[in-house]
Amino acid sequence: DTEVTQTPKHLVMGMTNKKSLKCEQHMGHRAMYWYKQKAKKPPELMFVYSYEKLSINESVPSRFSPECPNSSLLNLHLHALQPEDSALYLCASSQYTSGTRYNEQFFGPGTRLTVL
Amino acid sequence: LAKTTQPISMDSYEGQEVNITCSHNNIATNDYITWYQQFPSQGPRFIIQGYKTKVTNEVASLFIPADRKSSTLSLPRVSLSDTAVYYCLVGDPNAGNNRKLIWGLGTSLAVNP
Repeated sequence: DTEVTQTPKHLVMGMTNKKSLKCEQHMGHRAMYWYKQKAKKPPELMFVYSYEKLSINESVPSRFSPECPNSSLLNLHLHALQPEDSALYLCASSQYTSGTRYNEQFFGPGTRLTVL
Repeated sequence: LAKTTQPISMDSYEGQEVNITCSHNNIATNDYITWYQQFPSQGPRFIIQGYKTKVTNEVASLFIPADRKSSTLSLPRVSLSDTAVYYCLVGDPNAGNNRKLIWGLGTSLAVNP
C-alpha cells in the first residue's frame, strides 16, 4: 500500500468554526508532513513530524494545530481561520526525514479548504 | 539556501521529447536535485532524483552537468497524460530534522494532440 489518504476532500468552514483534517498512511513511514498550497504556487511546508514528534513548525499561526496520534495518523486542527487560509492542504509521508539519500515524499490528494 | 528557477510554462506535442531545465546557482555540496509532477487537484508525485551526471528511470531522465548549477528533466515521447506541473526541488537529505527543501515555482507543461 503506497497510498496516503486524506479526509475530507473538500471542506467549507466559517471563521468561527473548529474543524479537523485527517491524514493516514500504512507504509510504515516515520515522517509525516503538512503542506499548504495556493493556486499556481508550489506547496509550502507547514509542519514536520518525525517519529510522532513535531520536529519542524514553519512559524505557522496557532490557529493551525497539528497532532500525530500514532505513526500512521496525522491531524490538522483548524480554529478561527481567515479567508486567506483557503487553500489545498496536502499531507505527505516519507520513510525518514534524513538519511544517505533524499527520502521520497508520498503525497495525499489534499483537502480543498474554503474559509468563508 | 539554494534558489531554483525554471520556466513558467512549456508547450509540446504528443510523441515529442520535452526537456525542462532548472537553474540552481547556489546549490550546496550536499544538495540533491529532485523533480515532482503534479496534476490538478492532486498531490505531487516523485519523478526522479539525482546528485550528478545522469539518472534514468522508467519515467524520465535527469541530466546534471559537472558544475551542478542546473539540471534538465527529460521526458521522452510525451503523451496527453503528461500535461501537468513539474517542480524542481533542491535540498540536503542529510539535513535531519531541520531539512528544508527549496521548491521551484513549477513549470506548467501542456501536451497538445
